[in-house]
Amino acid sequence: DTGVSQDPRHKITKRGQNVTFRCDPISEHNRLYWYRQTLGQGPEFLTYFQNEAQLEKSRLLSDRFSAERPKGSFSTLEIQRTEQGDSAMYLCASSLSGVSYNEQFFGPGTRLTVL
Amino acid sequence: DQQVKQNSPSLSVQEGRISILNCDYTNSMFDYFLWYKKYPAEGPTFLISISSIKDKNEDGRFTVFLNKSAKHLSLHIVPSQPGDSAVYFCAASDNTDKLIFGTGTRLQVFP
Repeated sequence: DTGVSQDPRHKITKRGQNVTFRCDPISEHNRLYWYRQTLGQGPEFLTYFQNEAQLEKSRLLSDRFSAERPKGSFSTLEIQRTEQGDSAMYLCASSLSGVSYNEQFFGPGTRLTVL
Repeated sequence: DQQVKQNSPSLSVQEGRISILNCDYTNSMFDYFLWYKKYPAEGPTFLISISSIKDKNEDGRFTVFLNKSAKHLSLHIVPSQPGDSAVYFCAASDNTDKLIFGTGTRLQVFP
């Protein structure tokens, strides 16, 4: 399977705990994006990387959130001191820069439930 | 501030008929528009896209129409099939590379 993969698919945690999610993009894609989707809404942009550089962060990404892509391949998204409002589906997408149009390919998502 | 709007949360269409899903946007800087399809427990799957320099793009049963003056686009599916039942998201981008999504329309195609 050469698509975008995410791990874990589901995570249940208690309020105040830290969680970390992983995303493996399509191998030749140099851009990687994180989105968050809550019930009844479309995905909302959080941040994106081109290779290992984090180029943009949304105002939605509070100080408790941090994302890394250390070698320009996989990425991690960490949420510290989780809150119930963090419960959502976290989606990762990748794309190839230099292509005419920005078609992003999404992974299956990680569903986070904060109790 | 919802820059991309899908005002119909759901649509029900009979198999074989046309499905028309609508999307409106407010930001005139958007220059590229995409439609994604999402099944439960899966990530969105890219369906079809259109650049702002075009007014129509067709791919098999799927056609997207763009009316820039009205800031409106629509996705036509002809003929509709039961396997098309899913949530459809409209998305737009400008030169910042991030996608701005609408809230989605749930399409149900019944026999």
